[in-house]
Amino acid sequence: AQKITQTQPGMFVQEKEAVTLDCTYDTSDQSYGLFWYKQPSSGEMIFLIYQGSYDEQNATEGRYSLNFQKARKSANLVISASQLGDSAMYFCAMTHSGGYNKLIFGAGTRLAVHP
Amino acid sequence: EAQVTQNPRYLITVTGKKLTVTCSQNMNHEYMSWYRQDPGLGLRQIYYSMNVEVTDKGDVPEGYKVSRKEKRNFPLILESPSPNQTSLYFCASSPPGRDQPQHFGDGTRLSIL
Repeated sequence: AQKITQTQPGMFVQEKEAVTLDCTYDTSDQSYGLFWYKQPSSGEMIFLIYQGSYDEQNATEGRYSLNFQKARKSANLVISASQLGDSAMYFCAMTHSGGYNKLIFGAGTRLAVHP
Repeated sequence: EAQVTQNPRYLITVTGKKLTVTCSQNMNHEYMSWYRQDPGLGLRQIYYSMNVEVTDKGDVPEGYKVSRKEKRNFPLILESPSPNQTSLYFCASSPPGRDQPQHFGDGTRLSIL
C-alpha cells in the first residue's frame, strides 16, 4: 500500500538558517508525483513545490528545494534562509496509483522559526 | 481571482441533522476532491471527481455523499452526521496531469455534537 511518512512531528530553526523537513514514501509505481504544501495557522493549504519521479534534477522554487533521492524513496524539503513567516505545518504528499488527482498525505511536520 | 470557495467556513450542528458543504471553483478544472484533516493523520481523501457526473470513493468515504452536476460545483453531503465526522474539511481542484498541484479552498471546520 502506498504511504507517506513524515517522522518529525515538530521542528524548530533559528531565523536565517536552513532547515530540512523529512519525507519518505512507499510505492510500487514507476510514475508518480511528489508535492509539498504549507499550512499556516490561518488554515489554508499552499502549494510549494513539485517533483516528478522521472525528473532528473531536484526541483527548486525560490527558497524551497526538494532533495529527491529516488533509490531511498525520500523527498525532503529544504528551506533556505528561514523567515518568521515560514512557521507553519508542512505536508508531503504523493499521487495515488488510483489516479493523478488522488493525493496521499503524510501526517505533517510543524515548523517553528525563532528570531 | 482564481479560487476554490467553500461554505460555510464554520458549522456547529447536532448528530443526525443533514448538512451540505458547498464547493465552487472558477478555474474550469476537471478534477475536484474532498479531504478531511485530523490531527496526526494529515489529509485523507473522501471523494473525488474527474468530471461532470463522474465521481469515485477516496480512502474514507463512509458517511459522505457527493454529486457533480456542474463542472464548477462539488458539494459534500452528510446525510446523518455523527460526532466522528467532526473535522476540518477541504475541497480542492486541479486540471488533469500528474504534475498539476491541487488548489485548495480555505477549509470548513465542522463540529458535530
